[in-house]
Amino acid sequence: QKEVEQNSGPLSVPEGAIASLNCTYSDRGSQSFFWYRQYSGKSPELIMSIYSNGDKEDGRFTAQLNKASQYVSLLIRDSQPSDSATYLCAVNTYSGAGSYQLTFGKGTKLSVIP
Amino acid sequence: GAVVSQHPSRVICKSGTSVKIECRSLDFQATTMFWYRQFPKQSLMLMATSNEGSKATYEQGVEKDKFLINHASLTLSTLTVTSAHPEDSSFYICSARGISGNSYNEQFFGPGTRLTVL
Repeated sequence: QKEVEQNSGPLSVPEGAIASLNCTYSDRGSQSFFWYRQYSGKSPELIMSIYSNGDKEDGRFTAQLNKASQYVSLLIRDSQPSDSATYLCAVNTYSGAGSYQLTFGKGTKLSVIP
Repeated sequence: GAVVSQHPSRVICKSGTSVKIECRSLDFQATTMFWYRQFPKQSLMLMATSNEGSKATYEQGVEKDKFLINHASLTLSTLTVTSAHPEDSSFYICSARGISGNSYNEQFFGPGTRLTVL
């Protein structure tokens, strides 16, 4: 069973602080990793993808990947109340017959306090 | 990022009727589309995967005769909930994966369809 684990939270941070979201995965062969943001009642929105070990920065977001530790993280700098949402970690896993599908974690609920 | 549309956004129907939901990739060709269902405060649940021109692959426990999926073109997939019952009320979300820029692995979600069966 290929699993993706996240702390469900809620994670509360004050406005302007750095929010740190973590994720571990079980399939050592996974090559593609994604972070989605989901507001309540809405569908997931892709905010970051990462494929190589190290850091990838996009605006206030930084994704970090460590394949040896099977660990992915997302840092949100200068957190804003509008960042309050559930963040889903997703890992592309092989599902057989040449197909891949995303395995999602259960999500971490982030609350940014004004 | 790539854009995926879904129609309708909300539907209310009587028990026993069938409902069709359309999912379109607007600015890229989706070689693979996925259908998910999400109940309130729960995780996304993958229902089925479809590749253009071939039969959908359903996840364990999802009735293929109840949830009919058609992926007739590289930009359109449809999900038909047949003989819907109140327990089918949920948030149905499609997503599409194709060649979009250099990131062919990326999967983009439609806005979802909220189905209420009375």
